[in-house]
Amino acid sequence: KAGVTQTPRYLIKTRGQQVTLSCSPISGHRSVSWYQQTPGQGLQFLFEYFSETQRNKGNFPGRFSGRQFSNSRSEMNVSTLELGDSALYLCASSLTVASPSVEQYFGPGTRLTVT
Amino acid sequence: AQKITQTQPGMFVQEKEAVTLDCTYDTSDQSYGLFWYKQPSSGEMIFLIYQGSYDEQNATEGRYSLNFQKARKSANLVISASQLGDSAMYFCAMKGRDQGGKLIFGQGTELSVKP
Repeated sequence: KAGVTQTPRYLIKTRGQQVTLSCSPISGHRSVSWYQQTPGQGLQFLFEYFSETQRNKGNFPGRFSGRQFSNSRSEMNVSTLELGDSALYLCASSLTVASPSVEQYFGPGTRLTVT
Repeated sequence: AQKITQTQPGMFVQEKEAVTLDCTYDTSDQSYGLFWYKQPSSGEMIFLIYQGSYDEQNATEGRYSLNFQKARKSANLVISASQLGDSAMYFCAMKGRDQGGKLIFGQGTELSVKP
């Protein structure tokens, strides 16, 4: 069974630009969550999608948005990039979101550098 | 609010020895899940072990075991017979009952295994 895939793996953008990152969950998984990892702030939850609906959202500005498609693939978009958006963006998938015991499996991440 | 604390920024262990990575948590939820993830330098988060708040026995997965002390709100990871490939960042994380897929992470512990 293929794991979570994220594309692209590396990205360099300029301040003010926008970027779209993609995540394909494990086959059969319907929940996708996104996390931002930086040396200063650690791992922070961005948002979660289940059945094409945003179920939960972290404390990030509106420049960060996402969506999920009917095949459970998800994209996140960051508009008007700032230097502080440089980070590793991790996507995680799980079968469902109903229980604290549901395991989440992470992809390899997309490393975004904003110059 | 939920919080995870990992007080050991870095640790060293001799190959083939056991090591304990500390994790304490704070939550007002009665139902929650505790997770440990390993993050090698490549960036991918690898799921290691899970412990539910109502589980009476400590979780074990191969060389990994979780020392769960509910009254002390601690969930320490024990790695037995350390291997060179265990060198990585280790993150403790928690998910509450009404948090959906949102994981709260600690700051991580960097483990170095010496030959």
